[in-house]
Amino acid sequence: GAGVSQSPRYKVAKRGQDVALRCDPISGHVSLFWYQQALGQGPEFLTYFQNEAQLDKSGLPSDRFFAERPEGSVSTLKIQRTQQEDSAVYLCASSLEDGNYGYTFGSGTRLTVV
Amino acid sequence: QKEVEQDPGPLSVPEGAIVSLNCTYSNSAFQYFMWYRQYSRKGPELLMYTYSSGNKEDGRFTAQVDKSSKYISLFIRDSQPSDSATYLCAMRDSSASKIIFGSGTRLSIRP
Repeated sequence: GAGVSQSPRYKVAKRGQDVALRCDPISGHVSLFWYQQALGQGPEFLTYFQNEAQLDKSGLPSDRFFAERPEGSVSTLKIQRTQQEDSAVYLCASSLEDGNYGYTFGSGTRLTVV
Repeated sequence: QKEVEQDPGPLSVPEGAIVSLNCTYSNSAFQYFMWYRQYSRKGPELLMYTYSSGNKEDGRFTAQVDKSSKYISLFIRDSQPSDSATYLCAMRDSSASKIIFGSGTRLSIRP
């Protein structure tokens, strides 16, 4: 497809379980971003990749959150030992260069921790 | 205090009305300003972008940036029920790649 693809669309995890969320960016897009969106809030920045290099991870809320993009295309956001406050929609976005004029978002993965 | 402030609404207007959505911000380094539209259970979709101050028009949508007041606006003319969505303002400075979002305004257009 032509858009940013995220999987799974929905994930229910038991507290303490590890989860992995996948993002397939638009082909050829250099930059990739992860955002977290709580209910009724705007997206909050988590981390940014340029190709395979993670250039900014200042938004990751704790060391339980880890992101990678080993070959500069597909990215995975991993959350270890999930907690209830991790429940949110996780959005992935990509852009051709540094996203000066905005990026293209995927539909997100809705994570519910029970 | 958040860097970007946006009234969450909800805002309900009749079809055909002019809608005005606004954000204020505190970081004078912001240079790039965007408006995104987000339908329920979908990702944000870029609607408008502007660089620095000024106006930009695209069809029924007009974006305005007033850097002296740290205030940005989105106007929607001849509003349609299909415009019902959450509208997010977003901005960034020239040195950072991350975009900072407002909390979003939920808009409903009544037929």
